[in-house]
Amino acid sequence: KAGVTQTPRYLIKTRGQQVTLSCSPISGHRSVSWYQQTPGQGLQFLFEYFSETQRNKGNFPGRFSGRQFSNSRSEMNVSTLELGDSALYLCASSLSPTGPDEQYFGPGTRLTVT
Amino acid sequence: KNQVEQSPQSLIILEGKNCTLQCNYTVSPFSNLRWYKQDTGRGPVSLTIMTFSENTKSNGRYTATLDADTKQSSLHITASQLSDSASYICVVSQGYAGNNRKLIWGLGTSLAVNP
Repeated sequence: KAGVTQTPRYLIKTRGQQVTLSCSPISGHRSVSWYQQTPGQGLQFLFEYFSETQRNKGNFPGRFSGRQFSNSRSEMNVSTLELGDSALYLCASSLSPTGPDEQYFGPGTRLTVT
Repeated sequence: KNQVEQSPQSLIILEGKNCTLQCNYTVSPFSNLRWYKQDTGRGPVSLTIMTFSENTKSNGRYTATLDADTKQSSLHITASQLSDSASYICVVSQGYAGNNRKLIWGLGTSLAVNP
């Protein structure tokens, strides 16, 4: 069974631009979560989608948005990029957003904002 | 405030030695506790998931313990290998069974295993 895939793996953007990251969950998984990871901050939860609906949202500004498609694939978008948005963006999939289901992480997208 | 604190922040050990990483949490209501291993530049990989009623769980050379009364967990690594060099992250799931979980992440312990 294929794991969680994220594209692109690396991205360099300039301040003010926008970016879209993509995540394909494990087949059969309907819950997708997004995280931002920066040194010293650990993993910061962005949002979680299940069956095309946002179920949970972290404390990030409105510049960060996401969506999930009917095939469970998810995208996140960051508009008006700032230098502080440079981070590793991780996507995780699980069967559902409840219970002790394991989350399986993708390799991440390394975003650098210059 | 719901928090997960890990110690030490970083650790260096020699190959073949054992080590123990600590996780203290103040999360309520408690649903489960997970330990993840994250190699540099990669996504975290789950090592163990423990619910309230479990106090020990092993995964190969990794053994996690949970004391729900003191709200402490530890991850013990036996006979360390160079490939154990990674960040180990403790995560506590907050919420009631059947409801949306909220995961509270620790900052991790960075482990370096030297030859």
